[in-house]
Amino acid sequence: AQSVTQLGSHVSVSEGALVLLRCNYSSSVPPYLFWYVQYPNQGLQLLLKYTSAATLVKGINGFEAEFKKSETSFHLTKPSAHMSDAAEYFCAVILNTGFQKLVFGTGTRLLVSP
Amino acid sequence: EAGVTQSPTHLIKTRGQQATLRCSPISGHTSVYWYQQALGLGLQFLLWYDEGEERNRGNFPPRFSGRQFPNYSSELNVNALELEDSALYLCASSLARLAGRETQYFGPGTRLLVL
Repeated sequence: AQSVTQLGSHVSVSEGALVLLRCNYSSSVPPYLFWYVQYPNQGLQLLLKYTSAATLVKGINGFEAEFKKSETSFHLTKPSAHMSDAAEYFCAVILNTGFQKLVFGTGTRLLVSP
Repeated sequence: EAGVTQSPTHLIKTRGQQATLRCSPISGHTSVYWYQQALGLGLQFLLWYDEGEERNRGNFPPRFSGRQFPNYSSELNVNALELEDSALYLCASSLARLAGRETQYFGPGTRLLVL
């Protein structure tokens, strides 16, 4: 079964520091991978997605992620954190069987300190 | 362009009652998905509707049901509410499933509290 693992339920960075949120997937075939962000008391907003085109995917708000098949990873990065980046981030994979079901990781809460 | 909308934003019910949650997809989207985000349980897939039919459901009891209307909006019904049904219910929509693994866009959610 396809799944995603997010390492670290909480990540703390200082404003201006590099943000690195880790996501590893398990899949027998090339997956479709997504990163979503959830701000407090809100729904999910799509940050970026990998659909087997370019391995380096650029998203909104300065985030990007690199698909590495050899490492089965899809880590999310941002060169310089802003206070407004504080939120919960979810990595997700969509099944390739046509069922269109998103399987989410457990989420990583990003804390940004001044 | 309007995003996915959900109503109500908050819903308070007591055990044993029924709850009805509503979702309107992005214009042009025919697929609607429901997810439950319960404390400590993460985001769980509930139901997927496309072209008025239920296409897939997650590991939830039959008291969770729904439907999709001809205008592609959707309702999620939860019967015989239990305390553990308290959660944020998220609706998402996407383009037609025949196009492949389409991106799902989420609404703001309905927070259900069962007392």
